[in-house]
Amino acid sequence: AQKVTQAQTEISVVEKEDVTLDCVYETRDTTYYLFWYKQPPSGELVFLIRRNSFDEQNEISGRYSWNFQKSTSSFNFTITASQVVDSAVYFCALRLNTGNQFYFGTGTSLTVIP
Amino acid sequence: KAGVTQTPRYLIKTRGQQVTLSCSPISGHRSVSWYQQTPGQGLQFLFEYFSETQRNKGNFPGRFSGRQFSNSRSEMNVSTLELGDSALYLCASSRGLTSNTGELFFGEGSRLTVL
Repeated sequence: AQKVTQAQTEISVVEKEDVTLDCVYETRDTTYYLFWYKQPPSGELVFLIRRNSFDEQNEISGRYSWNFQKSTSSFNFTITASQVVDSAVYFCALRLNTGNQFYFGTGTSLTVIP
Repeated sequence: KAGVTQTPRYLIKTRGQQVTLSCSPISGHRSVSWYQQTPGQGLQFLFEYFSETQRNKGNFPGRFSGRQFSNSRSEMNVSTLELGDSALYLCASSRGLTSNTGELFFGEGSRLTVL
């Protein structure tokens, strides 16, 4: 069975602080894809990043960076110099190589205080 | 390029009624998935449609059903509504099924309240 765990339910940081959102996944498949989505108050999930199981290179995109470690089954997300606009719920998700079903974590609600 | 459009955005029903939600995917996308989001259970997969056929189904009772039309638009129906069906129902589209690594593109959801 597949499972994604986001242990942090809520996080509050002061603007300009760095924050890391944790994600741990479980699957027995060797080929899979990991995702991060952002959900602002409007409700729409916005795609942030996709990683496949064979690519453990970390990635940086502006203030966002992702650390994928297969050895610990983790796919953590760091926001550097957080801004108020980063306030949202962030979801980590797992997708297998078969089908389009996504397995979502329960989300981490991030509040950036000005 | 228009995104995923869901209608209605908000609706209120009473127990025992039924509801139909609509989803128009991004142009050219042939796969439509539905998810239920609740505070207690998070995001849970309902079903996926591709080329008018249900390809995958989550662990929901038969009261939850859906269909897809030839233009890829999809509807989901919930019959005999229960209080626990109150949720945000999210539709997502993607270009195809397996072998693609594409992400899902989500709509803003239909927020259903059952009284």
